[in-house]
Amino acid sequence: DTEVTQTPKHLVMGMTNKKSLKCEQHMGHRAMYWYKQKAKKPPELMFVYSYEKLSINESVPSRFSPECPNSSLLNLHLHALQPEDSALYLCASSQDRRDNQPQHFGDGTRLSIL
Amino acid sequence: GNSVTQMEGPVTLSEEAFLTINCTYTATGYPSLFWYVQYPGEGLQLLLKATKADDKGSNKGFEATYRKETTSFHLEKGSVQVSDSAVYFCALSSASKIIFGSGTRLSIRP
Repeated sequence: DTEVTQTPKHLVMGMTNKKSLKCEQHMGHRAMYWYKQKAKKPPELMFVYSYEKLSINESVPSRFSPECPNSSLLNLHLHALQPEDSALYLCASSQDRRDNQPQHFGDGTRLSIL
Repeated sequence: GNSVTQMEGPVTLSEEAFLTINCTYTATGYPSLFWYVQYPGEGLQLLLKATKADDKGSNKGFEATYRKETTSFHLEKGSVQVSDSAVYFCALSSASKIIFGSGTRLSIRP
């Protein structure tokens, strides 16, 4: 069982819709991450939050908007997405941002854009 | 810049065979090194890690040793099982970012 919970597991949306992906962890971790993973590729970092503040944005288009309401929750708000945004979106958390801390991943949200 | 190179897959082995998946890295400073495994339909799971030179990470029969002189972190297992079939990612962490290798798909025949 994963300790990072992502909802929904699957999401189909049109290009004009607005939806949100949710991620939750109760391990007391203070760093949380969003990744995008295309088929047969490694995950690509999108955003990093540390102590509920955005610390890294990997030049992600503004149609993706992250939010960290508290230390256990991470959201990714989606608006006006493109078909190429279809992918598996993974959330991860770690104790903090030190390099020796492993990341714990959720099972992801599989997103399809029509 | 930092990078990770791992052997191309897919790798197909028979059950109980010896496994090696090669991984080399390029990095400034002293990164931490990880192997993650991804089973179909799931996220990534940490398999093992090593945080300094000559450290050996081990878990579930898998091992990897942090070799600074050859900038390598090869994954090995003495006897694979069908349940080991998955995609394996070598990764390094430096400056608070994880950089993943391209992944190696492993299939084990009964």
